[in-house]
Amino acid sequence: DVKVTQSSRYLVKRTGEKVFLECVQDMDHENMFWYRQDPGLGLRLIYFSYDVKMKEKGDIPEGYSVSREKKERFSLILESASTNQTSMYLCASNRALGETQYFGPGTRLLVL
Amino acid sequence: AQTVTQSQPEMSVQEAETVTLSCTYDTSESDYYLFWYKQPPSRQMILVIRQEAYKQQNATENRFSVNFQKAAKSFSLKISDSQLGDAAMYFCAYRSLGSTPLVFGKGTRLSVIA
Repeated sequence: DVKVTQSSRYLVKRTGEKVFLECVQDMDHENMFWYRQDPGLGLRLIYFSYDVKMKEKGDIPEGYSVSREKKERFSLILESASTNQTSMYLCASNRALGETQYFGPGTRLLVL
Repeated sequence: AQTVTQSQPEMSVQEAETVTLSCTYDTSESDYYLFWYKQPPSRQMILVIRQEAYKQQNATENRFSVNFQKAAKSFSLKISDSQLGDAAMYFCAYRSLGSTPLVFGKGTRLSVIA
């Protein structure tokens, strides 16, 4: 089975802190994704990566950056956390175009 | 840009009954993929069912089936013999052939009443 893991289930951070959310997949998937999920808004794509060191902006990249130094790991970085970044963050991966995306369990981030 | 609309924010169904969740989408493409994902409370999002637009036949996975109406751009999910474990948030999603990101609807929260 595909396994996508995220480093934390819950995080509490202060405004202005730098926040790292880590995602690891164990199936040698090419593509990895970061979404945020908010009530009434569904899932919105922040960034995705189709290869090591490659990244593409999604629909809402402002205030975020990403890093993919190794194929299995895709990090989401909040350079200076703000209260409007309080959300559930979901990581996903898939092998190739058209393939099913597999999701991690999510990280619920609270920024105070 | 493609959009996905789920017009029912919340639905409920009695255990053992059948429920249909609606999804419509907007696209100018002729080939694409459609998905239904399930997110149980505090649990991982998982794929329920997928449909390739070029296939006429509606996809089925056990108690889950879809009614894919390409001309109407409609992709509804039918859950038969509903079980308590079906209670979850359900997301409809679209993906073009040429790109990997999914476009999600806003979700439908399904409650199952014992």
